[in-house]
Amino acid sequence: GAGVSQSPSNKVTEKGKDVELRCDPISGHTALYWYRQSLGQGLEFLIYFQGNSAPDKSGLPSDRFSAERTGGSVSTLTIQRTQQEDSAVYLCANTQAPTTYGYTFGSGTRLTVV
Amino acid sequence: KQEVTQIPAALSVPEGENLVLNCSFTDSAIYNLQWFRQDPGKGLTSLLLIQSSQREQTSGRLNASLDKSSGRSTLYIAASQPGDSATYLCAVRPIQGAQKLVFGQGTRLTINP
Repeated sequence: GAGVSQSPSNKVTEKGKDVELRCDPISGHTALYWYRQSLGQGLEFLIYFQGNSAPDKSGLPSDRFSAERTGGSVSTLTIQRTQQEDSAVYLCANTQAPTTYGYTFGSGTRLTVV
Repeated sequence: KQEVTQIPAALSVPEGENLVLNCSFTDSAIYNLQWFRQDPGKGLTSLLLIQSSQREQTSGRLNASLDKSSGRSTLYIAASQPGDSATYLCAVRPIQGAQKLVFGQGTRLTINP
């Protein structure tokens, strides 16, 4: 597609439930990122996928968080046993190699855990 | 470790004024710097991308400059409008760890009619 598409745009879930957030990247953009932005905070890196390489998971805050990218395209971020502190906007971003390219972000998923 | 700082944290000006937002970074070893706009509760919209070899980029009423050696970038907005109200973020793509953008905390801009 022409841009990065994220779904759902908003998600309200009960504490303890699992949620899945989806990112449809730009076709041909090999690098995909997930960031989190908590209320009033900056952007926090979560995970990075590049082609067929092993993902960089160094930003995942706990083992309740996981992500996968199927066929080098769509990515899903899963949060298990959600907690109130997981409430945030989750943003997906794409870029291309080489490093002269900029990043394109999706519109985000606003997750509220009640 | 690369750190990005944006000053001021918030800015409120009357419509029509020209204004400058500042971004500084601690490590000049970068591939590029990107300015984004974020409306409340929304994603990031890319405004300007400046490569490390460039000094400035322009798009409409926006002009971004880059002084890599001093670790500074500015975003100049001419003839500000209420629709420019948003949070403006700068981010650098470091050569070390190029896969992770490093963001500033943003400047929250309000243009008063």
